[in-house]
Amino acid sequence: EAAVTQSPRSKVAVTGGKVTLSCHQTNNHDYMYWYRQDTGHGLRLIHYSYVADSTEKGDIPDGYKASRPSQENFSLILELASLSQTAVYFCASSAGLANTGQLYFGEGSKLTVL
Amino acid sequence: GDSVTQTEGPVTVSESESLIINCTYSATSIAYPNLFWYVRYPGEGLQLLLKVITAGQKGSSRGFEATYNKETTSFHLQKASVQESDSAVYYCALGDSNNRIFFGDGTQLVVKP
Repeated sequence: EAAVTQSPRSKVAVTGGKVTLSCHQTNNHDYMYWYRQDTGHGLRLIHYSYVADSTEKGDIPDGYKASRPSQENFSLILELASLSQTAVYFCASSAGLANTGQLYFGEGSKLTVL
Repeated sequence: GDSVTQTEGPVTVSESESLIINCTYSATSIAYPNLFWYVRYPGEGLQLLLKVITAGQKGSSRGFEATYNKETTSFHLQKASVQESDSAVYYCALGDSNNRIFFGDGTQLVVKP
């Protein structure tokens, strides 16, 4: 049974609209991450969190907000979606580098902004 | 900032040939970061292949090996004899002191029968 689940798996949004991507983990992990992947490129870190009610900026936070209301849930929010935010978004959880730092990924959410 | 650079793909090899995918890292926030190789097989999600958290050590899994070389800041992935089932996209990654994980751009491996 998948331990990191994302929703929606696919979404088409209009430019300027609001988009919320949700992530739920059952690993009991402290760390959660949001990455985006563009075709032919690697994963780039948007936001991450190590505890509920707290989020940290990654490498490319502009245009994105994150919310961690509980240990299990981590959302990525695009308040004003833009064409350049078309990508596949991956959520991941981890027990932290003190415990090897292995990431467990969700299956991805494909976002198309028109 | 911290970053990872790896062999640009696609890399095409014939079955039973040897393979090396280069990975070099730059770490400014931590002297000896944790290093990882992740893999995405066709139709599957991204998963850990192997990890090494101590400089000088070697990690291995599924016939693949990678040695953490702090002198050359490298973590190359090697396999002596590839199989068609090894066809996938391979990602080198680095973990920094803030528990952030940075990925390279990925290397697509195509193994010809």
